[in-house]
Amino acid sequence: AQSVTQLDSHVSVSEGTPVLLRCNYSSSYSPSLFWYVQHPNKGLQLLLKYTSAATLVKGINGFEAEFKKSETSFHLTKPSAHMSDAAEYFCVVSDSSYKLIFGSGTRLLVRP
Amino acid sequence: EAEVAQSPRYKITEKSQAVAFWCDPISGHATLYWYRQILGQGPELLVQFQDESVVDDSQLPKDRFSAERLKGVDSTLKIQPAELGDSAMYLCASSLWDRGEQYFGPGTRLTVT
Repeated sequence: AQSVTQLDSHVSVSEGTPVLLRCNYSSSYSPSLFWYVQHPNKGLQLLLKYTSAATLVKGINGFEAEFKKSETSFHLTKPSAHMSDAAEYFCVVSDSSYKLIFGSGTRLLVRP
Repeated sequence: EAEVAQSPRYKITEKSQAVAFWCDPISGHATLYWYRQILGQGPELLVQFQDESVVDDSQLPKDRFSAERLKGVDSTLKIQPAELGDSAMYLCASSLWDRGEQYFGPGTRLTVT
């Protein structure tokens, strides 16, 4: 069965410093992987997705993620954090029926 | 930009009462999803519709939960009777087709007292 593990429940960074949100996946076949962001009182928004094309995926708002099959990882990064990046981030894998399986989330805090 | 609409945004109900949530997907989206997100966890799919037909309700507690999408457009999720453990955020999402990008609504936060 497909699953994702988000390694940190909370990450705190200073504004202007790099962001790293870690995600490991488990899949019996080549997976489709996603990162979603959830701001308070707003719906989940797709940041980026990997579907077996380029291993480095660029998303919205300066985020990117790299698919590493050997490490079964799909970590989310951003070179410079902005206050507006403070939110909950979910790593997601889709199963063979295209059902989305969500991780437990990482709350990103950005300090001024 | 078109959005998925949900109402109410917040609902407080007593246990054993009935409660209903409404979702209006993006116009033209054939696939509609209901998710439940318990505090501190990721969303979990409850039910998926393709037009007016249920294609996956394997995680829906059918003894108390029901969902319908009668005309293949908007949808209602009902809980009767509500239990304390049903307190959660209920999210609706829609997509053009069953493999398309899912667009999420703002959710309904349910508190059962």
